[in-house]
Amino acid sequence: DAGVTQSPTHLIKTRGQQVTLRCSPKSGHDTVSWYQQALGQGPQFIFQYYEEEERQRGNFPDRFSGHQFPNYSSELNVNALLLGDSALYLCASSLSNQPQHFGDGTRLSIL
Amino acid sequence: DAKTTQPPSMDCAEGRAANLPCNHSTISGNEYVYWYRQIHSQGPQYIIHGLKNNETNEMASLIITEDRKSSTLILPHATLRDTAVYYCIASSYGKLTFGQGTILTVHP
Repeated sequence: DAGVTQSPTHLIKTRGQQVTLRCSPKSGHDTVSWYQQALGQGPQFIFQYYEEEERQRGNFPDRFSGHQFPNYSSELNVNALLLGDSALYLCASSLSNQPQHFGDGTRLSIL
Repeated sequence: DAKTTQPPSMDCAEGRAANLPCNHSTISGNEYVYWYRQIHSQGPQYIIHGLKNNETNEMASLIITEDRKSSTLILPHATLRDTAVYYCIASSYGKLTFGQGTILTVHP
């Protein structure tokens, strides 16, 4: 039974570019959440998707957007990349209000 | 989510019990206490959660005080592979608010 899978594992972009990160939830899970983890810090909540709708959002600008597909997989899009967007981006999935399970993340570096 | 407070670091000898404390004095009635851990370069791993009763699973035990203002995560027989950052989170729904966590180092 595969857990949460994220792609790519590493990515390098330059300032001003746009990026799309992908997440496949654990089998049977219907809810996907995204987190940003800067170096040396705990993960910070970006937003959560359920039934293809954004259900909850953290304190992130509109440059951060997402999507959930009918098969429950999800994408995180970041526009107009800034140096400060360099971080580990984590996806977590859950079944309704059960505990979230995390993938190993995408390491995004902005040059 | 209620704010949680954890010691920045703790040490434990291999084979001994590791007891990690967490304060959550402003926790509300519908907020659960969750524990996750993160080993370097991996995503956080779910350990255990509880509302007001003590909980035990194959990884750990969670002891919540009667007033729910604090809790303790117990790893009964710590191994070197338990060295990680441990996060205590109080959350009712949806987002998890991570703090700085406790760096647990297990020594041989």
